[in-house]
This record gives sequence, C-alpha cells and structure tokens, in this order.
Amino acid sequence: AQSVTQLGSHVSVSEGALVLLRCNYSSSVPPYLFWYVQYPNQGLQLLLKYTTGATLVKGINGFEAEFKKSETSFHLTKPSAHMSDAAEYFCAVSDRGNFNKFYFGSGTKLNVKP
Amino acid sequence: EPEVTQTPSHQVTQMGQEVILRCVPISNHLYFYWYRQILGQKVEFLVSFYNNEISEKSEIFDDQFSVERPDGSNFTLKIRSTKLEDSAMYFCASSTGLGGETQYFGPGTRLLVL
Repeated sequence: AQSVTQLGSHVSVSEGALVLLRCNYSSSVPPYLFWYVQYPNQGLQLLLKYTTGATLVKGINGFEAEFKKSETSFHLTKPSAHMSDAAEYFCAVSDRGNFNKFYFGSGTKLNVKP
Repeated sequence: EPEVTQTPSHQVTQMGQEVILRCVPISNHLYFYWYRQILGQKVEFLVSFYNNEISEKSEIFDDQFSVERPDGSNFTLKIRSTKLEDSAMYFCASSTGLGGETQYFGPGTRLLVL
C-alpha cells in the first residue's frame, strides 16, 4: 500500500529564509502528488500538484515543488518565508489511473519567526 | 470562489449515540469523499461516493458508517453507534473527476465521543 512520509513534524524558519518541507512516497509507480496547506479553523487548501509534464511545479503564494522520480520525492520550497506562511502543510498522493483515494503524510507545522 | 462547507463545526456526543455529519460539496462536482484525522495521526481516507453509490471504502468504513446524498446538494456521513475511538476531525471533500483531479476540502467537523 502507498505510504507518504513527511520528515519533520515541526519546522521553524526565520522570516525571509528558505522554506523546505520534505515529502517522500513509497510506490514504484509515481503517483499523482499534491501539497495542501491548512490554516487554523480552515479546510485543506491546494497549494500545487504534479500530474504529468514539467517536474517543477509552481503553486500559490510563491511555493513550488519538484518531483524527483529517482528519489521518490516531492519536496515543497519557498525562497523567502513570510509570517503569513505559518500553517500546517500536508503532502498527499493518489495512485495513477482512475483512483481517487488520497494518502496523506502526517503533516508539517511551519513556524515563521520574525 | 466556491467552497465545500461542513456542519456542525464541533459535535459532542455520548458513546452509542448516532451522529450525522453534513457536507455541502461544490455544486458542479461529481465525486464526494470523507476523510478523518484522529488527533496526532494522519488524515485517513474513509469513503468515496459517485453516482449515488459508494465507489471505494477503507477498512475503517465498517457497518457502523453510512453515506448518503439525500438531495442535490448535501452529502452526509452517519455513524450509527459511536465509539470513543470515533473521536476525530472529519473532512468532507469533492472533485470533478478522478485521475489526478484536485479534491477540495471543507473545514472539518470535530467529533468528540464521551
């Protein structure tokens, strides 16, 4: 069964610093890949996704992620953190084909220090 | 922008009682989902629903759970006889299709079973 690993349940960066949130999946066939963000008392909001094509995908709020098949990874980055980026970030995958079940990582809470 | 809504935001119930969690998916979406997140654990898939029937369900989704789309807008999750271990955040989601389509999540219902 698919497994998604997010290294680091809590990540703390200074405002203006690079944000790097890690996500690895387990399947040998690359799945569809998603990053969601959750602000307090809100639902999960899509940041970006990779389905096919260019492996570097850009999302909202200046975030981007790169799919690396050889590393089974889909790490999320942002060059310069902003205070408003403080939230919980979830990596999710779904198997290729007409499947719709999402497998989630355990989430990473991002803290941004002034 | 259209969004998925869920009611109530919080529900407290006694063990053995029935609860119904309600969701209004995005209006032109065809696929509907329930996920749950027990405190400190990953978001887990429960069930997907399409064309008025369950298309996939997890091992968690046993006979105590049921889903329904009683009219053209609502999508409900019923737990017939709640257990302590049903305490969790329940998320509803919807999508236009399968195969890498984005799932749009509601803000969740926090269920506490006493």
